Amino acid sequence: EPEVTQTPSHQVTQMGQEVILRCVPISNHLYFYWYRQILGQKVEFLVSFYNNEISEKSEIFDDQFSVERPDGSNFTLKIRSTKLEDSAMYFCASQTGPKGDTQYFGPGTRLTVL
Amino acid sequence: GQQVMQIPQYQHVQEGEDFTTYCNSSTTLSNIQWYKQRPGGHPVFLIQLVKSGEVKKQKRLTFQFGEAKKNSSLHITATQTTDVGTYFCAGLSNDYKLSFGAGTTVTVRA
Repeated sequence: EPEVTQTPSHQVTQMGQEVILRCVPISNHLYFYWYRQILGQKVEFLVSFYNNEISEKSEIFDDQFSVERPDGSNFTLKIRSTKLEDSAMYFCASQTGPKGDTQYFGPGTRLTVL
Repeated sequence: GQQVMQIPQYQHVQEGEDFTTYCNSSTTLSNIQWYKQRPGGHPVFLIQLVKSGEVKKQKRLTFQFGEAKKNSSLHITATQTTDVGTYFCAGLSNDYKLSFGAGTTVTVRA
């Protein structure tokens, strides 16, 4: 069964550094999402992406964050100048179409900012 | 903005017993989805409810969507140790943003 993959599984970085989290969505999917989950808390929406542009973003997704689909398969989340509070699990998800189709989540990247 | 509230936060259940987790949205939803997250894992889609008053069953799990499309519940009968995990509801707004509830973390006493 096709699945969403994410790399790395764990990223440790120093405060102020930039990180890039990578996702490979399911190949025929068109809508892509990033979520984060701070340890022990709920899953929070960050951004949705369709047709090579951001379609929706939350208040969390400020100028520190950016997303890209550089090559038609990878979907990346860049965090510039990481802060301690950016430490969380970051999940990528993809779905075939809009309007509430099932979102398939990747295994997540645990980001630890020291 | 849209808020999705979920209760209880924790549910400790004796194996074999039933329990229910409840989800309420501050706004009318396009649909509601339920996910299960095992400890250390990622959210896994369980089911989606779209119609007002809809009820769906998956074996021992019964999902309901309220008439006003603002609340939902998940009822699990005869709880098993395999039911351990956190169950999240997620409401899809009319502008297709998915908002997760805080989750109900279920532990089972054998």
